[in-house]
Amino acid sequence: NAGVTQTPKFQVLKTGQSMTLQCAQDMNHNSMYWYRQDPGMGLRLIYYSASEGTTDKGEVPNGYNVSRLNKREFSLRLESAAPSQTSVYFCASSEALFGNQPQHFGDGTRLSIL
Amino acid sequence: GEDVEQSLFLSVREGDSSVINCTYTDSSSTYLYWYKQEPGAGLQLLTYIFSNMDMKQDQRLTVLLNKKDKHLSLRIADTQTGDSAIYFCAETRFNGSSNTGKLIFGQGTTLQVKP
Repeated sequence: NAGVTQTPKFQVLKTGQSMTLQCAQDMNHNSMYWYRQDPGMGLRLIYYSASEGTTDKGEVPNGYNVSRLNKREFSLRLESAAPSQTSVYFCASSEALFGNQPQHFGDGTRLSIL
Repeated sequence: GEDVEQSLFLSVREGDSSVINCTYTDSSSTYLYWYKQEPGAGLQLLTYIFSNMDMKQDQRLTVLLNKKDKHLSLRIADTQTGDSAIYFCAETRFNGSSNTGKLIFGQGTTLQVKP
């Protein structure tokens, strides 16, 4: 039972480099999310996808783009990485958008921008 | 304000009860969640409570909801060293006009359990 799988687990980038974080879920969930976690700030929503074919901005979308490739996969792209994007990134999925369906999280990608 | 507030740190002795508190802001929140995060891992859903409930019990976990004060608590009975982790509360905040919502997390409470 894989649940939500994120790759890579760790990455170090130089300022200005680009990178795509991958996320896949095998629970047939409709909705998927990308969060970032910074010390003392909890989790903040970057982008979400209510269903296949749709994406919407969350609280902190600047500097990121997303693609909902199919029902299983939701990727997050940093076009030109900045030190302020050093964070732990979590992907999550749920059966329906927010509401009473809990979100299931991956183990995170730890990203450092030098 | 927009924030969901939690105290940052709690230390208890093994076998004692732990109570982690949270205050939220949106009186229309329908679901409130407790997540647990162990070091190097993602968030694991512990339990949730619907806003028309006052209490929910699940084995060693008891969730209390005071809607008047917008206060949520998580009580862990007989706390074990394996309970050491960061605990996040989260509220679902809906936008009625657009029929969308978002999950707002607190900063997390680090629970330290001493043997």
